[in-house]
Amino acid sequence: AQKVTQAQTEISVVEKEDVTLDCVYETRDTTYYLFWYKQPPSGELVFLIRRNSFDEQNEISGRYSWNFQKSTSSFNFTITASQVVDSAVYFCALSLYGGATNKLIFGTGTLLAVQP
Amino acid sequence: DAMVIQNPRYQVTQFGKPVTLSCSQTLNHNVMYWYQQKSSQAPKLLFHYYDKDFNNEADTPDNFQSRRPNTSFCFLDIRSPGLGDAAMYLCATSREGPGGRGYTFGSGTRLTVV
Repeated sequence: AQKVTQAQTEISVVEKEDVTLDCVYETRDTTYYLFWYKQPPSGELVFLIRRNSFDEQNEISGRYSWNFQKSTSSFNFTITASQVVDSAVYFCALSLYGGATNKLIFGTGTLLAVQP
Repeated sequence: DAMVIQNPRYQVTQFGKPVTLSCSQTLNHNVMYWYQQKSSQAPKLLFHYYDKDFNNEADTPDNFQSRRPNTSFCFLDIRSPGLGDAAMYLCATSREGPGGRGYTFGSGTRLTVV
């Protein structure tokens, strides 16, 4: 069975602080994709990153960075110098590689509140 | 721009009154999905279409049905909405093939049941 766990339900930080959102996944498949999505109060899901299981390189995109470690089945997300606009719910998700359709399995999300 | 469009953005329906939510796409993706997201919860897959092939999740209530008349459109029908069906409904599309390609979400329809 596949599962995504986001142990942090809510995080509150003050603007300009760095914050890391944790994600741990479970799957027996050796090939899969991992995702992070942002969901602001308006409700739409905004795609942030996709990583396949063969690529363990960390990635940096502006203030965002991702640390993928297969050894610990973790795919953590760090926001550097957080801003109020980063306030949202963040979802980590898993998609298996094989087959014609690609169902996303979501974690329960982490609500990030960035205070001015 | 190629995209996934959901209408309406907000829908209010009466308890027990059938309601239909719509989703259209200009991406020409083979696969379309409907997710239900209740307040403070993760999105939960209800069903998906691979072309015209319908695939229901095992725990999706019978109250929920779907139609896909062509590649571009997909509808979610709730036959008799209950208060517990109030949620955000998210449509998504992807191309067929190995996981993770071209997964695109619409902006969602927020359903209120009164």
